[in-house]
Amino acid sequence: GQNIDQPTEMTATEGAIVQINCTYQTSGFNGLFWYQQHAGEAPTFLSYNVLDGLEEKGRFSSFLSRSKGYSYLLLKELQMKDSASYLCAVLIDYKLSFGAGTTVTVRA
Amino acid sequence: GAVVSQHPSRVICKSGTSVKIECRSLDFQATTMFWYRQFPKQSLMLMATSNEGSKATYEQGVEKDKFLINHASLTLSTLTVTSAHPEDSSFYICSARGDYNEQFFGPGTRLTVL
Repeated sequence: GQNIDQPTEMTATEGAIVQINCTYQTSGFNGLFWYQQHAGEAPTFLSYNVLDGLEEKGRFSSFLSRSKGYSYLLLKELQMKDSASYLCAVLIDYKLSFGAGTTVTVRA
Repeated sequence: GAVVSQHPSRVICKSGTSVKIECRSLDFQATTMFWYRQFPKQSLMLMATSNEGSKATYEQGVEKDKFLINHASLTLSTLTVTSAHPEDSSFYICSARGDYNEQFFGPGTRLTVL
């Protein structure tokens, strides 16, 4: 099977920064996605990394190190609406294999 | 991004009945769609890959006779849960594959089997 690990829960204060780490050991690798999922809703796309380095998109940034099997999602200037589950997913051939998700709670 | 719809959004049925869930790509043609299942506080588990005009490919441990998948057109895939039982109660999510292997997810269907 595929091993994709991320922390279960994180809590942060409104306006702060939170970094969600994801490590993976998979049978293949064609890229890594981060998705946001609010309770009872479908995941929405946040970022995609296929090469090493940092991809920045507004308040969200994602980093990838393929040699270390490691990625992180950085959320800046946290807002209450950022409270959600964040899913790390590895693309293997054309299929996505998901981590269990990290529930982020933003407190006022 | 592309829009994917699912219908129904919520269904409650009696044990032993069959339930059909539709997944549509609204503004693009999707030759490949995926069906996932998500139990509470767990991640998405891929059930099967649906290819237009051919048989679906099921993941290990997923019964193809219980979860019937039909992908008859480039914009529609259906999942039928046959003879549903309480343990089939879950959140079922479909996605459509884009040109760069990204996936666009539908809003999900909450199935409750009594």
